Amino acid sequence: GAGVSQTPSNKVTEKGKYVELRCDPISGHTALYWYRQSLGQGPEFLIYFQGTGAADDSGLPNDRFFAVRPEGSVSTLKIQRTERGDSAVYLCASSEGGGIGNTIYFGEGSWLTVV
Amino acid sequence: KQEVTQIPAALSVPEGENLVLNCSFTDSAIYNLQWFRQDPGKGLTSLLLIQSSQREQTSGRLNASLDKSSGRSTLYIAASQPGDSATYLCAVLHNAGNMLTFGGGTRLMVKP
Repeated sequence: GAGVSQTPSNKVTEKGKYVELRCDPISGHTALYWYRQSLGQGPEFLIYFQGTGAADDSGLPNDRFFAVRPEGSVSTLKIQRTERGDSAVYLCASSEGGGIGNTIYFGEGSWLTVV
Repeated sequence: KQEVTQIPAALSVPEGENLVLNCSFTDSAIYNLQWFRQDPGKGLTSLLLIQSSQREQTSGRLNASLDKSSGRSTLYIAASQPGDSATYLCAVLHNAGNMLTFGGGTRLMVKP
């Protein structure tokens, strides 16, 4: 597609449930990022993939959060045992290489509400 | 740990005014700085990217400057229009990694 695509655009789930959020990066982009944005704040880094491997997962808040990119294209962010504090916009981004020297393109986000 | 601060947090101006948004960062070891625009309920759109070796970048009515040594960047918007109303975010890319560190944003409203 022309841009970074994220699904679902909105998700409401009950506390304790499992959630998967999907990201389709721009075709050919090897670098993929997940960020989380709480209301009224700037995005916070979660994880960065270069190809299939997680090159930096230092931003994942705890072991309930996990992300995969098995074929080096589509990525899935997985959240187990969701908590109300997980409510946020989850933004995916991609770039041609790493962020150095390359513009990073963001998707429109997946709005997660945990009730 | 890199911290990015944006001032003001919110700004309301009449149409036609020139305005300046400010961004400061605590660690000058950055590779580049980007300014993004975010419309309500939408993702981020990159406006300008300044490499650490550059002093400024211009695109249309937008001009961004970077003073790496003092940890500051400004986004200048000339002749503001109602369509410029959005949240403007600055973000720095560390030398050592590939993560962007964002400021909290400036919510801009341009009134007709």
